[in-house]
Amino acid sequence: NAGVTQTPKFRVLKTGQSMTLLCAQDMNHEYMYWYRQDPGMGLRLIHYSVGEGTTAKGEVPDGYNVSRLKKQNFLLGLESAAPSQTSVYFCASSSSGSGDYGYTFGSGTRLTVV
Amino acid sequence: GEDVEQSLFLSVREGDSSVINCTYTDSSSTYLYWYKQEPGAGLQLLTYIFSNMDMKQDQRLTVLLNKKDKHLSLRIADTQTGDSAIYFCARRTGGATNKLIFGTGTLLAVQP
Repeated sequence: NAGVTQTPKFRVLKTGQSMTLLCAQDMNHEYMYWYRQDPGMGLRLIHYSVGEGTTAKGEVPDGYNVSRLKKQNFLLGLESAAPSQTSVYFCASSSSGSGDYGYTFGSGTRLTVV
Repeated sequence: GEDVEQSLFLSVREGDSSVINCTYTDSSSTYLYWYKQEPGAGLQLLTYIFSNMDMKQDQRLTVLLNKKDKHLSLRIADTQTGDSAIYFCARRTGGATNKLIFGTGTLLAVQP
C-alpha cells in the first residue's frame, strides 16, 4: 500500500543542469499534480494532469515540463535548472469520482540548485 | 495562494485547545480542507468540510465554517506535542480539474 512515491528524495544540481522528478501512484487515481513549497508561500501548483496523456499548466509553470505517458506516473522535468527552482517539490493524486476529492501526497523531493 | 490566508504561527501549551484560522475569497468553493505537515514529510489530509455544513467534529478536531465571512477554523482539543506541525487550509476550485488552492500554512508549536 505505497500510495504516492516520489524519487529522488534529495538532489543537488548545478545551474543549467537538467533532471526529472518521478511520481508514481498505485491508487488508480485519474488526477495528478506537481506543487512546489517555499517558505511563507504555501504550496503553488506547477502543472497538473486530469488523465493519461493530458497535462495542463498551473500557477507557476515556467521552467518546468511534465509528461503523463502512463496513468500511474507523472514526471516533472527541469530542462535548465536555476537557483530560483530551489524548493521542495510535492506530487499529489486524487480520484475523479465521488468522495471528498482530497489529495494523497508524496513525501517530497528537496531540490537545491547551486 | 493569495486567496487563502492563514496566520503564520501559533504557540500553545500542551493540554490547551488550539484554534487555527483561515480566510478565503472565493465563495464558490465546494470543499474546504485541513492538511497537516510534519517535519520532512508530505501533507496528510486531516479533515474536510462541505460548503453546506457549518461544523464537523472528528475526535479532537472541530472544523467551523462561516460561509458569510468566508472563514474556516480548525480547533484541536487537548493539544499534544505530537500535534506540532504546519497546518494548511485549502479550498477546492470549481470545474472538473479538482485543483486545490492552499494557504501559506500555520506553524503550530506545542510547548510542554
